[in-house]
Amino acid sequence: QVQLQESGPGLVKPSQTLSLTCTVSGGSLNSGDYYWSWIRQSPGKGLEWIGYMSYSGATYKNPSLDSRVTISLDTSKNQFSLKLTFLTAADTAVYYCARVQGLALPNDAFDIWGQGTMVTVSS
Amino acid sequence: VVMTQSPLSLPVSLGQPASISCKSSQNLIHSDGDTYLNWYQQRPGQSPRRLIYKVSNRDSGVPDRFSGSGSGTEFTLKISRVEAEDVGIYYCMQATHWPPYTFGQGTKLEIK
Repeated sequence: QVQLQESGPGLVKPSQTLSLTCTVSGGSLNSGDYYWSWIRQSPGKGLEWIGYMSYSGATYKNPSLDSRVTISLDTSKNQFSLKLTFLTAADTAVYYCARVQGLALPNDAFDIWGQGTMVTVSS
Repeated sequence: VVMTQSPLSLPVSLGQPASISCKSSQNLIHSDGDTYLNWYQQRPGQSPRRLIYKVSNRDSGVPDRFSGSGSGTEFTLKISRVEAEDVGIYYCMQATHWPPYTFGQGTKLEIK
């Protein structure tokens, strides 16, 4: 059974860049038919989709975050990552990684989620 | 697409039915004929878990007391008999008009 686990700093300063990693176990990033996703949850904005990437490199992002988001895959480590630049307090949230089964668009979205990691943006 | 859930708080007695409404600001039927409307359950302290996809399809392992229905812009999640393990927040999410995917604000189910 595929499991996802997020890791990264719990506290980041304003204007800095957030880097998070999601480790995939019980399955392989390069097995093909999945999008590997990032979603965040904050009291103010609720659940917000950030973006996702497939093994082939197809990447889709939330237009509201597009210019600040980079998603990448490291198949050698079976991990995928999120970079979010120019952080403000509004980026304080629990960040989840999640999987989308199938490469069709649209799709049935997020069938497996990690347990989430809290990120606070504060000086 | 804005997703609006009601009620936001839902106290229910054990063994009683529960119903959550989700309305979208646009029709969620896609040109491929499918309607991409999902329901998620978030138990206290846990990450969201998908219960239902494409309006009415239950995920593996989801009890059959959960059912989804609806079409167009109006959708409903029903629990036929609430159990203690059903406590949590329920979210609808649309995937038809993306990007971005958009979620409802959540309905908190509690035991009365």
